[in-house]
Amino acid sequence: LAKTTQPISMDSYEGQEVNITCSHNNIATNDYITWYQQFPSQGPRFIIQGYKTKVTNEVASLFIPADRKSSTLSLPRVSLSDTAVYYCLALSSNDYKLSFGAGTTVTVRA
Amino acid sequence: DTAVSQTPKYLVTQMGNDKSIKCEQNLGHDTMYWYKQDSKKFLKIMFSYNNKELIINETVPNRFSPKSPDKAHLNLHINSLELGDSAVYFCASSSETSGGADNNEQFFGPGTRLTVL
Repeated sequence: LAKTTQPISMDSYEGQEVNITCSHNNIATNDYITWYQQFPSQGPRFIIQGYKTKVTNEVASLFIPADRKSSTLSLPRVSLSDTAVYYCLALSSNDYKLSFGAGTTVTVRA
Repeated sequence: DTAVSQTPKYLVTQMGNDKSIKCEQNLGHDTMYWYKQDSKKFLKIMFSYNNKELIINETVPNRFSPKSPDKAHLNLHINSLELGDSAVYFCASSSETSGGADNNEQFFGPGTRLTVL
């Protein structure tokens, strides 16, 4: 698995946009950028995946520049319930063995 | 209906005991996994089964033995529990054609917090 680096923590307030940048300098050609979210006392939950440019779903947007050496997960207008740990992974089609680092702890305050 | 369920949610036991954790998924998936998450939130895979057959067996002590009676169930039995086994254990599942990139999605259970005293 390509190594990824992301900030340990981020603080925000309700209604703000939160952007989490993930670095993956050694990403392989066939790797996809994948993000999971984990609430306290729950299992991780897949939120978004992309290969290049921009992907958007009902939860988040994922921006991947042309060189693919980094990516940014954007959470629009966060609420208190978005407080969680967010994990960035670079996965190929054969990567069934997920491995999470410490992730980014996002804390949303009122 | 819960997609991936685990029992028990909490397990407190003494060193040296043997315990089991059960996992069931009702998603019709062919592949199931066991992960261990430590106190620093690092999550690592332990085992994976596809259609009841073991396909991933990471470097895990042989005190840990998974069993898959059918593709909807993957149980984890742990012998001679040690202090270092204390962690949260997650079961997950994915369809045979996903789990990797391009529609990579694994569905996790709520976790079992194991505390060994």
